[in-house]
Amino acid sequence: DVVMTQSPLSLPVTLGQPASISCRSGQGLVYSDGNIYLHWFQQRPGQSPRRLIYEVSKRDSGVPDRFSGSGSGTDFTLKISRVEAEDVGVYYCMQGTHWPITFGQGTRLEIK
Amino acid sequence: QVQLVQSGAEVKKPGASVKVSCKASGYTFTSHGISWVRQVSGQGLEWMGWVSAYTGFTNYAKNVQGRVTMTTDTSTSTTYMELKSLTSDDTAVYYCARMGLGDSGSCHWGQGTLVTVSS
Repeated sequence: DVVMTQSPLSLPVTLGQPASISCRSGQGLVYSDGNIYLHWFQQRPGQSPRRLIYEVSKRDSGVPDRFSGSGSGTDFTLKISRVEAEDVGVYYCMQGTHWPITFGQGTRLEIK
Repeated sequence: QVQLVQSGAEVKKPGASVKVSCKASGYTFTSHGISWVRQVSGQGLEWMGWVSAYTGFTNYAKNVQGRVTMTTDTSTSTTYMELKSLTSDDTAVYYCARMGLGDSGSCHWGQGTLVTVSS
């Protein structure tokens, strides 16, 4: 199984400040079609998860442009340029390249 | 718009089975597979498996293989996840999600179904 390791697991951030979450995969994530199926999800308290970023860096429809994804190889990053109160929740990376699909442990973002 | 609507909360005794449904609307059902993901209270997301709505092909996670069955009913655009031999460790919120391997189509999740296993 591809292990997805996120850091940090807890992220206290001041409103308006940037935030960054790292995700490392245990092996490369290039699929047979040449794409990298590394996605980022946000789960707000009491809600179902919502995908923010797909294929490393593509923003889903309706996702604010303060969210961005980057990375290559086995190292990937989710960045929030200026944290807002509505960003509180848990963020997960997920690989959809190899069976079984696997998630990172989650990073809990809170406001300082 | 795409919607996945799941069945309601369940309470089961240890050793019993549970079957959770996920009814899709707003898209061509057979064009996308469905994953099932569970989440124990306060913990992370655990992928359980995937079923093709077109062929019925399944792929299950090792830790539930042998106890889980995922099926689809194309006549009602509904996907089912049945989990047998329940223990307290299976107490969790179960989500269906329109996502799979090598899939970057728009990703949609159901509202979740709480399954409680208690004697």
